Amino acid sequence: GAVVSQHPSWVICKSGTSVKIECRSLDFQATTMFWYRQFPKQSLMLMATSNEGSKATYEQGVEKDKFLINHASLTLSTLTVTSAHPEDSSFYICSARDPSGISDTQYFGPGTRLTVL
Amino acid sequence: DAKTTQPNSMESNEEEPVHLPCNHSTISGTDYIHWYRQLPSQGPEYVIHGLTSNVNNRMASLAIAEDRKSSTLILHRATLRDAAVYYCILLRGNEKLTFGTGTRLTIIP
Repeated sequence: GAVVSQHPSWVICKSGTSVKIECRSLDFQATTMFWYRQFPKQSLMLMATSNEGSKATYEQGVEKDKFLINHASLTLSTLTVTSAHPEDSSFYICSARDPSGISDTQYFGPGTRLTVL
Repeated sequence: DAKTTQPNSMESNEEEPVHLPCNHSTISGTDYIHWYRQLPSQGPEYVIHGLTSNVNNRMASLAIAEDRKSSTLILHRATLRDAAVYYCILLRGNEKLTFGTGTRLTIIP
């Protein structure tokens, strides 16, 4: 299957700082990428849909000024958590849609665990 | 959105087949049935998908009922590495993947 990478795999930061997470599709071009967040013992919650060359579409309740998404190329999307606070500590997962398949299968990155102190 | 219903948890013995059920009684004709699984502390992993016919790949088999209102993911010989949360999701065209609570599969050595 297709490969999606994320960097870093984990990060610890101080409250008030910003953290950038990268998501790359390694062997296919993804016009659409997605960002999810997962709290312990909960399911994945979609945060936003990222389309190459255009503004991201955020789900209801997700602050677009706090979670900045940039999708500058067909293989890279970034999520920046600005002014992070302890409640932002979570497991952040990206996915990329492979448009070459019949049903637009999504492939997921390994996730980034963010801990805000 | 068409919804799916899965048991919260299941257990299976190692090296035995596992049948994970999914009900989707409100499925529409253009909905694909997708299965993903999430191992502990990892991102979800694509397992298999299908529309009407049964599907097989190296990971699993997908058996789809004739009326498409239910499906079963079949792991032919479970190993400890198959312990994960399995999600059954209906996907239509460019819709977003929405995860429910899935089935937590425990493999007993």
